[in-house]
Amino acid sequence: DVKVTQSSRYLVKRTGEKVFLECVQDMDHENMFWYRQDPGLGLRLIYFSYDVKMKEKGDIPEGYSVSREKKERFSLILESASTNQTSMYLCASSFNSGTASGEQYFGPGTRLTVT
Amino acid sequence: GNSVTQMEGPVTLSEEAFLTINCTYTATGYPSLFWYVQYPGEGLQLLLKATKADDKGSNKGFEATYRKETTSFHLEKGSVQVSDSAVYFCALRSENAGNMLTFGGGTRLMVKP
Repeated sequence: DVKVTQSSRYLVKRTGEKVFLECVQDMDHENMFWYRQDPGLGLRLIYFSYDVKMKEKGDIPEGYSVSREKKERFSLILESASTNQTSMYLCASSFNSGTASGEQYFGPGTRLTVT
Repeated sequence: GNSVTQMEGPVTLSEEAFLTINCTYTATGYPSLFWYVQYPGEGLQLLLKATKADDKGSNKGFEATYRKETTSFHLEKGSVQVSDSAVYFCALRSENAGNMLTFGGGTRLMVKP
């Protein structure tokens, strides 16, 4: 079974803190994604990566950065957390599309509260 | 661009009722279509998928048929259970979008005993 794990289920941070969210997948997937999920807004893509050290901006990259030093690990970084970044953060991974149908596999999510 | 439209929830049903959650899409070419489910406090899980027109995806009693002529992928279940209470997301991957998925807004299903 594909497994995507996230470092924390719940996290509480103060405004201005630097926050690291870690995601690890064990299926040798090329692609990894970070989303945030907010009531009424569905899933919004923050960043994705299609290879080690490669990254692409998604729909809402402002205030975030990412790091992918190893194929299995994709980190989301909030350089200076703000209250409007309180949200559920979901990590996902997938194989490169090619002939595959392209489904993504999700981690359990991290609920981040910034006070 | 690509888009997915789902019926707004919440959908409230009694146990053993028939379920339909509508999903329509806009995309170029022949996208792959997916339904994901999110149980309370958890991430999304792939429920079923279909990769070409007239394909039927099915899993755990849920079904959805890829209808190219109506650009739809409606989710159905003949008899829902309380344990089916969750948020359901329709999604597509189009040929011109590489590895990206486009998600609908999600539909919350509440099943009462």
